[in-house]
Amino acid sequence: GNSVTQMEGPVTLSEEAFLTINCTYTATGYPSLFWYVQYPGEGLQLLLKATKADDKGSNKGFEATYRKETTSFHLEKGSVQVSDSAVYFCALKRRDDKIIFGKGTRLHILP
Amino acid sequence: DSGVTQTPKHLITATGQRVTLRCSPRSGDLSVYWYQQSLDQGLQFLIQYYNGEERAKGNILERFSAQQFPDLHSELNLSSLELGDSALYFCASSPTTGTGETQYFGPGTRLLVL
Repeated sequence: GNSVTQMEGPVTLSEEAFLTINCTYTATGYPSLFWYVQYPGEGLQLLLKATKADDKGSNKGFEATYRKETTSFHLEKGSVQVSDSAVYFCALKRRDDKIIFGKGTRLHILP
Repeated sequence: DSGVTQTPKHLITATGQRVTLRCSPRSGDLSVYWYQQSLDQGLQFLIQYYNGEERAKGNILERFSAQQFPDLHSELNLSSLELGDSALYFCASSPTTGTGETQYFGPGTRLLVL
């Protein structure tokens, strides 16, 4: 079946630290991959996406590369800020439009 | 502000009751998606409508139903409510459909079943 697995949180880092949140997926065919961010009390916002293998999505200093050979889409940022504290969701969208989300990773950034 | 609106923001009701959640997509968006977010199940895709027609179905219970109207707003009907239906329900919209389409999420409706 199709699934998305994210690293368990919470992840706590100091400001300016390097961030990696791991995401791996299983899917038939060639899904699109997404990272969404949810700030406290709000809905989800698209952070970045990649629609085919080797594509790199990037936004606000965050990056993720669609790796077909390792079925991964890890989220990285070189220097995190307190304002990056949120819950991050990895997701895939299949060709039949069904969307599967990971369980989310809560990120705390300490000043 | 994503441009997607959901009403009501909060809803408190009793077991066995029926409620209707409403979603207005961004202007011009033809696709509407419904999601349920709970602590134990995480974020679950329920159903998608595209231009008035059901497009994709996820983990939607038979007690739940949805529709999209000619003006493209959508309603999610939840009936015979159980305690476990307490959750945050999100609506999202996108311009069309397809694997690469970006979805824009509304602020959610928080449902509490007592």
